[in-house]
Amino acid sequence: DAGVIQSPRHEVTEMGQEVTLRCKPISGHNSLFWYRQTMMRGLELLIYFNNNVPIDDSGMPEDRFSAKMPNASFSTLKIQPSEPRDSAVYFCASSFDEKLFFGSGTQLSVL
Amino acid sequence: GESVGLHLPTLSVQEGDNSIINCAYSNSASDYFIWYKQESGKGPQFIIDIRSNMDKRQGQRVTVLLNKTVKHLSLQIAATQPGDSAVYFCAEFSNSGYALNFGKGTSLLVTP
Repeated sequence: DAGVIQSPRHEVTEMGQEVTLRCKPISGHNSLFWYRQTMMRGLELLIYFNNNVPIDDSGMPEDRFSAKMPNASFSTLKIQPSEPRDSAVYFCASSFDEKLFFGSGTQLSVL
Repeated sequence: GESVGLHLPTLSVQEGDNSIINCAYSNSASDYFIWYKQESGKGPQFIIDIRSNMDKRQGQRVTVLLNKTVKHLSLQIAATQPGDSAVYFCAEFSNSGYALNFGKGTSLLVTP
């Protein structure tokens, strides 16, 4: 298995632009998580899906953030409009039990 | 609120020495813990886990110790190698029952 696959690896955009991050979880995993990592706040859970259904989005910082999981093999995290304070590394993780497997992340820079 | 935290933000050890990374947790109801390793430019990678009904678990060159009395977790790495240089996170299975709460991380630097 290739593991959790995220794209793009790096994204540089200007303030106000829409950003879409993509994730392909490990096949057979029924849970998917989006985390954000910054130096100041560490790893923060943004949203959790179980069987493609959003269960907990309390970590989504604002209405500018949205996430979807249209099927078991794909999820997106969208920021619209993006702001400089959204700059961070965004990780997707999947699991079928408590053990999470992480992708390599998307390094987002909003100028 | 309850949280997972680390005692030391950075740790420097010589190659071949043993390393000990510590973690304190505050949620006495936590029953599952994981140590992750994160190398530069990569996502966190699972190292070892432990449940609250155990106080010690060993893997290859790594040992996790759990002291529930003082709510303390440690990761011991034997014969530390340059490839062990990374940030190490302890993570606690949260009250939600489905997500991990991560500590801030400890940076381990292995010097020759």
